[in-house]
Amino acid sequence: AQKITQTQPGMFVQEKEAVTLDCTYDTSDQSYGLFWYKQPSSGEMIFLIYQGSYDEQNATEGRYSLNFQKARKSANLVISASQLGDSAMYFCAMREGSGSRLTFGEGTQLTVNP
Amino acid sequence: DGGITQSPKYLFRKEGQNVTLSCEQNLNHDAMYWYRQDPGQGLRLIYYSQIVNDFQKGDIAEGYSVSREKKESFPLTVTSAQKNPTAFYLCASSISAMEIAIEGNFFGPGTRLTVL
Repeated sequence: AQKITQTQPGMFVQEKEAVTLDCTYDTSDQSYGLFWYKQPSSGEMIFLIYQGSYDEQNATEGRYSLNFQKARKSANLVISASQLGDSAMYFCAMREGSGSRLTFGEGTQLTVNP
Repeated sequence: DGGITQSPKYLFRKEGQNVTLSCEQNLNHDAMYWYRQDPGQGLRLIYYSQIVNDFQKGDIAEGYSVSREKKESFPLTVTSAQKNPTAFYLCASSISAMEIAIEGNFFGPGTRLTVL
């Protein structure tokens, strides 16, 4: 079974609008962490935001926020005020237990239109 | 500046040849990882190392080998036994295998391997 599921292969958004990228996960661990990375066409992986399973508040980092719904096992990324430079592939990833090994989803290709 | 170096950025090899991808980090991280990425897909873990002279297979280790003789270096060898070696290879590191780090893994710039 997939541990990380990203159901949106591609998403389009107008510049300056907000967009939500979906991520659901599957784990039996009580302690886990959820990450979002951005991958531009150059290939580098850029860390965006982290949510721990015990964190009571949703994580925020500038224009990025994580909508964490633990009971539904979802960790959606919200990008506010989209910019052209946000066009990239976005990956959701999970760390289970206390280790640092990550499991990645298939990714969502985001395109920001002017 | 601390970071992870992967060289070269593009690598071409003939089918049947072994090839070694380099990964060096100066972050003083204990743990290092190799991921493979195919076009339009996510990252899959090949091998990881929690400490010098120790490493474990990831999800797709067949046809690959690694060594960890120094803390800073974690080279990956793609052997002729790997059926479809053409892919983008990313090296990553983390402070330790057991420490919970909010950044997760730090990634290198990647190497695009094409086997002709």
